[in-house]
Amino acid sequence: QLQLEESGPGLVKPSETLSLTCAVSGASIGNSNYYWGWIRQSPGKGLEYIGIVYFSGSTYYTPSLKGRVTISVHTSRNQFSLELTSVTAADTAVYYCASLDYYDTTKFEYWGQGTLVTVSS
Amino acid sequence: QSVLTQPPSVSAAPGQKVTISCSGSSSNIGRNHVSWYQQLPGTAPKLLICENNKRLSGTPDRFSGSKSGTSATLDITGLQTGDEAEYYCGTWDSSLYTGLFGGGTKVTVL
Repeated sequence: QLQLEESGPGLVKPSETLSLTCAVSGASIGNSNYYWGWIRQSPGKGLEYIGIVYFSGSTYYTPSLKGRVTISVHTSRNQFSLELTSVTAADTAVYYCASLDYYDTTKFEYWGQGTLVTVSS
Repeated sequence: QSVLTQPPSVSAAPGQKVTISCSGSSSNIGRNHVSWYQQLPGTAPKLLICENNKRLSGTPDRFSGSKSGTSATLDITGLQTGDEAEYYCGTWDSSLYTGLFGGGTKVTVL
């Protein structure tokens, strides 16, 4: 059973960089059957797709965040990460990492429990 | 405002049926599969249905999905109190090269 767990600071100052890591267990991050993705949910709001990465390093980002977001794979640690620069209060959200089926890019089957990141001085 | 449009809320009595719609366009739902997610309060979303109408193992057969053109639908029959949750549709947009979620629909059991 594939499991994912997010980690990182729960508080980030405005204009700084948000950095989160997702540890994957139960599968290799080099498994060609998966993309690895980040989704966020602002308080009381719906799900927002951030982006995905393949083990090769190929990425797809949502247009609204392009230019501020970087998703990377770290094969040796079986992890992938999210960096979001120049954060504002609007980036306050629960951030989820998830696995995405390579053959059906609508299918986020396994999710982490989510981690709340608050942007505040 | 989401590219995929869902009704904010639907409700029905226990045992009844609710239908949740998800409306998109030719570049997203019109070209790609739709998945449906259930999010219980305080928890991560859970994939219920993929490839428009395929239930994951563990998804009760009271949940069914369908797609026609640029719209998709999730039906929940035999509504139970445990079905009270937020439901999201999700798909890929072939023009934007990104995934999309609907705005979410809150299901209330009266």
